Amino acid sequence: GDSVTQMEGPVTLSEEAFLTINCTYTATGYPSLFWYVQYPGEGLQLLLKATKADDKGSNKGFEATYRKETTSFHLEKGSVQVSDSAVYFCALRGLTGGGNKLTFGTGTQLKVEL
Amino acid sequence: DGGITQSPKYLFRKEGQNVTLSCEQNLNHDAMYWYRQDPGQGLRLIYYSQIVNDFQKGDIAEGYSVSREKKESFPLTVTSAQKNPTAFYLCASRPPDLNTGELFFGEGSRLTVL
Repeated sequence: GDSVTQMEGPVTLSEEAFLTINCTYTATGYPSLFWYVQYPGEGLQLLLKATKADDKGSNKGFEATYRKETTSFHLEKGSVQVSDSAVYFCALRGLTGGGNKLTFGTGTQLKVEL
Repeated sequence: DGGITQSPKYLFRKEGQNVTLSCEQNLNHDAMYWYRQDPGQGLRLIYYSQIVNDFQKGDIAEGYSVSREKKESFPLTVTSAQKNPTAFYLCASRPPDLNTGELFFGEGSRLTVL
């Protein structure tokens, strides 16, 4: 079945540091890929998405490129801020099974310090 | 404002009791989902419904039940048969555009079994 593997956290960075959170997936065909963000005590919000190979999703300074050859969708940001502290989830929408269900990774907690 | 409302935000339950978590949306979305979030395990799908009066089991449906009598409402009952119900529960809905795959989440309900 479909699965998503994320790097384990927590990740602690200083403000203005470069961020990479790794995400790889297993799925049949060409799934759609997503990054969601969860701020403390809240639900998840869509951060960015990519629906086909080589697409780059971007939002709020974050970027991720859909790499079919490496089955990866790594999240990057050039300069993180304290307000980016949150849990980040990589997810995919596979082509098998009904219901347009999303399969999520385990989440990576990011803490940004001054 | 349009969105998803979950209630209660915090709930305490004694062992052996059933509890019902409310999820209401005014986004006019057909599809709704219930996820369970545990530390280090990400989000796991409990039940989903693609249309009124229809729902399907997700990956961890045992010990849970749902109903979908109205488009706006998708309540989740955590029964006494659920062996480890303490968790954070997230309700989501999906826009009708099948190409996006994006989910809109509520702010969650935290259930603690005493």
